[in-house]
Amino acid sequence: GAVVSQHPSWVICKSGTSVKIECRSLDFQATTMFWYRQFPKQSLMLMATSNEGSKATYEQGVEKDKFLINHASLTLSTLTVTSAHPEDSSFYICSAEGGETQYFGPGTRLLVL
Amino acid sequence: GQQVMQIPQYQHVQEGEDFTTYCNSSTTLSNIQWYKQRPGGHPVFLIQLVKSGEVKKQKRLTFQFGEAKKNSSLHITATQTTDVGTYFCAGPGAGSYQLTFGKGTKLSVIP
Repeated sequence: GAVVSQHPSWVICKSGTSVKIECRSLDFQATTMFWYRQFPKQSLMLMATSNEGSKATYEQGVEKDKFLINHASLTLSTLTVTSAHPEDSSFYICSAEGGETQYFGPGTRLLVL
Repeated sequence: GQQVMQIPQYQHVQEGEDFTTYCNSSTTLSNIQWYKQRPGGHPVFLIQLVKSGEVKKQKRLTFQFGEAKKNSSLHITATQTTDVGTYFCAGPGAGSYQLTFGKGTKLSVIP
């Protein structure tokens, strides 16, 4: 079945550094991918919609210069957290649209010290 | 690792019929969340259940969390065409908050 991978699965970084998270659809092409953020004990919060070959669409309140999204191919979208701060520590999950359903990645846990 | 399974994968019902999707986890869950994705949209949060045996209702939707906190169900009474979409369950394992998603149940409602 369709599989979506994320890399890295977890990352610890120093405050002020940038972190890139990859989301790949392994056996299908995805023109649309979604990026979510999840805080402890809370539901997913949609951050942005990533469209292959065009600019991402960000949800209200999400800083596009802070969370850079690049969807360069039909199987890869990247989320870069720029100048990360401790408040950016969270669980980031992507999903890829394959056919008429979503396939979720396993998530990336980011800890900013 | 933790696995979350959902059945059925697809369900076609006549408008007015009831619908149920089931979610089973390989490990005990600290909570269970349900999401609905409309065609062309992204998954939207519906509800979270936390307590063992908890039952919550949202109009025609009834959500249950099993006594062992390893399974859950979503039941829709008298489906309408607006219920069309894919329903996902997701849950973090005990001691974690990272969600593992089921593969979803796609509901089609025939008018």
